[in-house]
Amino acid sequence: QSALTQPASVSGSPGQSITISCTGTSSDVGGYNYVSWYQQHPGKAPKLMIYDVSNRPSGVSNRFSGSKSGNTASLTISGLQAEDEADYYCNSYTSSSTLVFGGGTKLTVL
Amino acid sequence: QVQLQESGPGLVKPSETLSLTCTVSGVSIRSNYWSWIRQPAGKGLEWIGRIYISETTNYNPSLKSRVTMSVDTSKNQFSLNLSSVTAADTAVYYCARDNTNYVVRGMFDYWGQGILVTVSS
Repeated sequence: QSALTQPASVSGSPGQSITISCTGTSSDVGGYNYVSWYQQHPGKAPKLMIYDVSNRPSGVSNRFSGSKSGNTASLTISGLQAEDEADYYCNSYTSSSTLVFGGGTKLTVL
Repeated sequence: QVQLQESGPGLVKPSETLSLTCTVSGVSIRSNYWSWIRQPAGKGLEWIGRIYISETTNYNPSLKSRVTMSVDTSKNQFSLNLSSVTAADTAVYYCARDNTNYVVRGMFDYWGQGILVTVSS
């Protein structure tokens, strides 16, 4: 299985909105509503930010939102804050009953 | 609250078997699916596989021939064995709960802190 495709890096200024894409195929992202997003700060375990494409776990800021169109899922962060600077990963269920992660995106808050 | 803690050797010799254990507290290991995920230094996350109480497993196809997972309900633990390791298996290994009823949902809501395993002679 091939890793989902994410941009290597994105950046934005405080207060702005950014979107991170996660592109797969009809056998993973496009075929199921089981896409999750994770935030990872250096040296820390990943933190669940979005699950099932667009659902936020309790305690996650509503500045984080998820969506999907075709074979591409997206994570949008609005009102960018300094503490949002981190690596972000998507994952998706696959038609082989396995899971695949994206390569990760480094978010820089300018 | 739910907590996970990885344990095991931090150094494994090439061609040997990497063995890790994840101890779960705050919830019964019987009631969830449990995954292993790894991350080489400076690189992305890779799902290794998952296990359920009934010993139902799903493995990453790229690792399937070398991976074995098991559950010890008496200790509320689950384990990972990865055989014939090489330097490419050097990574931080995480255990995590997949909050799902069946599908490999990838909704990892609780994670261990991670354990660095280095493969070197």
